[in-house]
Amino acid sequence: DVKVTQSSRYLVKRTGEKVFLECVQDMDHENMFWYRQDPGLGLRLIYFSYDVKMKEKGDIPEGYSVSREKKERFSLILESASTNQTSMYLCASSPVGGTEAFFGQGTRLTVV
Amino acid sequence: AQSVAQPEDQVNVAEGNPLTVKCTYSVSGNPYLFWYVQYPNRGLQFLLKYITGDNLVKGSYGFEAEFNKSQTSFHLKKPSALVSDSALYFCAVKSAGNMLTFGGGTRLMVKP
Repeated sequence: DVKVTQSSRYLVKRTGEKVFLECVQDMDHENMFWYRQDPGLGLRLIYFSYDVKMKEKGDIPEGYSVSREKKERFSLILESASTNQTSMYLCASSPVGGTEAFFGQGTRLTVV
Repeated sequence: AQSVAQPEDQVNVAEGNPLTVKCTYSVSGNPYLFWYVQYPNRGLQFLLKYITGDNLVKGSYGFEAEFNKSQTSFHLKKPSALVSDSALYFCAVKSAGNMLTFGGGTRLMVKP
């Protein structure tokens, strides 16, 4: 089975902190994604990567950056956390030309 | 640009009754359509997909979905609902490329 693992289930951070959310997948997928989930808004794409060191902005990249130094790992970085970034963050991966994406269990981030 | 609409924030159904969760989409080109389910504090689990072929697609846990090209819809259905089906359901679409676009989600409540 495909496994996408996010390093933390719950995080509490202070305003202004630099925050790292880590995601690892074990199926050698080329594509990796970071989504943000908020009630009533569904999932919104923050960034995606289709190869090592490659990244593309999604719908809501402001306030975020990403890093993909190895194929299996995709990190989401909040440069200076703010309270409006309190949310559920979901990582996903898929193969090139594949259809469905496979999701991690999510990280619920609270910024205080 | 591609988009997905889930017109109902919540669907209530009695256990044993049929259920329908609605989804309409907008995309240029041939759509790839998906349904995902999310249980509390969990990531998204893949339910089913439509790529091509038969308009009625069968998926996990007894769910099925009907693709209707003229109405640009992909409604999720189940003949007999279970209390354990209560969850948050997301419809998603993609065309060319690898990005999935999600609807806002529909909460399904199945009452005993």
